[in-house]
Amino acid sequence: KAGVTQTPRYLIKTRGQQVTLSCSPISGHRSVSWYQQTPGQGLQFLFEYFSETQRNKGNFPGRFSGRQFSNSRSEMNVSTLELGDSALYLCASSLSTATYGYTFGSGTRLTVV
Amino acid sequence: EDKVVQSPLSLVVHEGDTVTLNCSYEVTNFRSLLWYKQEKKAPTFLFMLTSSGIEKKSGRLSSILDKKELFSILNITATQTGDSAVYLCARESGGSNYKLTFGKGTLLTVNP
Repeated sequence: KAGVTQTPRYLIKTRGQQVTLSCSPISGHRSVSWYQQTPGQGLQFLFEYFSETQRNKGNFPGRFSGRQFSNSRSEMNVSTLELGDSALYLCASSLSTATYGYTFGSGTRLTVV
Repeated sequence: EDKVVQSPLSLVVHEGDTVTLNCSYEVTNFRSLLWYKQEKKAPTFLFMLTSSGIEKKSGRLSSILDKKELFSILNITATQTGDSAVYLCARESGGSNYKLTFGKGTLLTVNP
């Protein structure tokens, strides 16, 4: 079956711009989580959605937001980009909890210049 | 607090060696402990552990959880160069907190 698909794979943006990243989970998975990965901080939780509802949010500023659609696809948006937002953004899907392990996509590499 | 601490942070071994990677975690709202392997981008799932003392095995890899002492180990026997990667340990929160808290990872380098 198809895995978790994230688009785009790479993105270069300028400070102050906004960006939207997309994640299509494995068919049948209703939970989608987003993580930011940087060399200094490692993998950090951004937020998790289940059936279009945000169930949990990490310690990120309000510039980071997300949503989930009825087909379980999810988007995350970062407004007013800062240089420190440069990172690999990973999306993970699961049935509900980690019953079968969260499956990660290949990520979107965002570079802010 | 959801802290996860992995050790060592990096490790260099020769092919054929056996390695043990460590992961300690905090207990609040604990649901499960997961191990992932990350080579380029997408972390790939290795194991999920929920019960103490039950070893999970997959080929040369095995893992076990100690819920009393709050740690887990990942063993790799007869290492190969293809095992070179970052190994990530993650704690899944339960209750209403659906998230994974990751450790910083262990960078394993296997030399021929």
